[in-house]
Amino acid sequence: AQSVTQLDSQVPVFEEAPVELRCNYSSSVSVYLFWYVQYPNQGLQLLLKYLSGSTLVKGINGFEAEFNKSQTSFHLRKPSVHISDTAEYFCAVTRISGNTPLVFGKGTRLSVIA
Amino acid sequence: SAVISQKPSRDICQRGTSLTIQCQVDSQVTMMFWYRQQPGQSLTLIATANQGSEATYESGFVIDKFPISRPNLTFSTLTVSNMSPEDSSIYLCSVAGGGMGTEAFFGQGTRLTVV
Repeated sequence: AQSVTQLDSQVPVFEEAPVELRCNYSSSVSVYLFWYVQYPNQGLQLLLKYLSGSTLVKGINGFEAEFNKSQTSFHLRKPSVHISDTAEYFCAVTRISGNTPLVFGKGTRLSVIA
Repeated sequence: SAVISQKPSRDICQRGTSLTIQCQVDSQVTMMFWYRQQPGQSLTLIATANQGSEATYESGFVIDKFPISRPNLTFSTLTVSNMSPEDSSIYLCSVAGGGMGTEAFFGQGTRLTVV
């Protein structure tokens, strides 16, 4: 079975400052890794995903994440946040066998302060 | 990619009643997944709906409370039965990507409030 731990439930950060949202996972099999964002009262939107290859993955809205296999981590970063980045961020994993559901972390609430 | 239409988008229901949520996908998919997102919480998988067979429920979820239908490869329903205020949540349907490594796609969710 897979599990995901998001180490921070809430992260407040000032506008234009950098941010890192931390995610660790546990799995006995190989997995794919994802970050989703959920804006207030909206559905889930994919930010980025790691399948294989380069461990640094770039996504939408200036976000990027780095896969670290030895530390079983997939931290999300953005060098300069905007007010519009205020949202809930979810890290998720799924087995590489396909057609399997995602397992989500508990989420990190990013609040960008003007 | 897949486009998922889910309805209703929100509802307010009386305790003791039932609500059926519909999920329509614009392409044929083998498996559909139903999640629950309780207020301020993450997404928890309720069950996996495979066309032509009984849904598979996760620990803590039972068919009597959350019956699921999957009549064809593009449609599924989830019923929340005998509702109580604790069932107030967002319910989402999802499909896995068609090929390995493609992301899951989600409906917009059904925001259920039980009073």
